[in-house]
Amino acid sequence: EVQLVDSGGGLIQPGGSLRLSCAASGFMIGSNYLSWVRQAPGKGLEWVSFFYSGDITYYADSVKGRFTISRDNSKNTLYLQMNSLRAEDTAVYYCARSYGIGGVVYYFDNWGQGTLVTVSS
Amino acid sequence: QSALTQPRSVSGSPGQSVTISCTGTSSDVGGYDYVSWYQQHPGKAPKLMIYDVSKRPSGVPGRFSGSKSGNTASLTISGLQAEDEADYYCCSYAGKYTVVFGGGTRLTVL
Repeated sequence: EVQLVDSGGGLIQPGGSLRLSCAASGFMIGSNYLSWVRQAPGKGLEWVSFFYSGDITYYADSVKGRFTISRDNSKNTLYLQMNSLRAEDTAVYYCARSYGIGGVVYYFDNWGQGTLVTVSS
Repeated sequence: QSALTQPRSVSGSPGQSVTISCTGTSSDVGGYDYVSWYQQHPGKAPKLMIYDVSKRPSGVPGRFSGSKSGNTASLTISGLQAEDEADYYCCSYAGKYTVVFGGGTRLTVL
């Protein structure tokens, strides 16, 4: 059974850094597209980043240059390093297994339970 | 990366059908057949309901169907049931290796 478990969220001051983790089971992350999607309180979903095969990564303009997606295949875990955090980054962050071909993400077929990041002084 | 446009809310009685629209542009919904729909109950993670415009994943009831015409995609739920009450989000590939979601629609089963 495919399972994704998100962790690492918490309260952080503006300008601070935080690293989120997504532990996967039931499949190998090295052969799949993986994404981060966030949801601000009471708001809709926003795509953040995805990891294509090898070391190719893509980011939404709102986080480009501040967030870095990475993975450790030996631990079957996806990460999101978030730097220079702003109040508007406050959200529940979900990792999601994605289906895609050639760098094009078609859909997100399995989701983690989400982890809440609150950026506030 | 502007969000796709969805109605904020729709409602229907048990047994009825409802349709949720999702309007984008020729750069996203109209340009690709990679539209997906997600159901989200309060406090829960989203769940894939429709992918590639009209395909249903295994386990999703046949009451859920998707379609697309031009720059607008639609999700239709027939034979409404109480457990269908949730938020629904559309999503589309938007070119240049990016993805865009709709603002979400709250479905109320009366």
